[in-house]
Amino acid sequence: DTAVSQTPKYLVTQMGNDKSIKCEQNLGHDTMYWYKQDSKKFLKIMFSYNNKELIINETVPNRFSPKSPDKAHLNLHINSLELGDSAVYFCASSQDRGQTDTQYFGPGTRLTVL
Amino acid sequence: QKEVEQNSGPLSVPEGAIASLNCTYSDRVSQSFFWYRQYSGKSPELIMSIYSNGDKEDGRFTAQLNKASQYVSLLIRDSQPSDSATYLCAVISNRDDKIIFGKGTRLHILP
Repeated sequence: DTAVSQTPKYLVTQMGNDKSIKCEQNLGHDTMYWYKQDSKKFLKIMFSYNNKELIINETVPNRFSPKSPDKAHLNLHINSLELGDSAVYFCASSQDRGQTDTQYFGPGTRLTVL
Repeated sequence: QKEVEQNSGPLSVPEGAIASLNCTYSDRVSQSFFWYRQYSGKSPELIMSIYSNGDKEDGRFTAQLNKASQYVSLLIRDSQPSDSATYLCAVISNRDDKIIFGKGTRLHILP
């Protein structure tokens, strides 16, 4: 059973397009996250939702819009894609937003903007 | 600006030796510390978590935390080629519950 799943695994698109990445967790966790890992492998948090409510919103261009229809899903929509958006995007979840909670990562979505 | 610093490596260690990975953090009110392992092309997975000063052992892995020095390390005993990966240090601040990852240390175990 896949705990945290993301689709698609690979996404290749042209500059200026709009695309979405979907994430689902079947762990019953309350908190979900989106991370961006750039070409230098630096993993940086973008957003965090707890029970469908946005709790962390790092300095991310407003072209990026997360949406959480329920606590098991957190999708990421990106408008007007730019070359610099090329990266691997990881979804993750944790039981709660607490200090000790382990985060479980999805397999990642490799986005390439041409 | 809160930071988590790691030597990017690569760190090369002979098979069977002890690999020592180090991490420093800048936010004094950090309370939770994690080591994640990431194989090339894969997602990070949790190896160890530590919350209080001292050592915490789990199999071949030992995490060491020194809050006074703002330093956390991971020791891997009896290193195996399968331990070759990038190891990410992560810290959660008491201030805002945000997790911050270091840039990772690439570890290469030499057969």
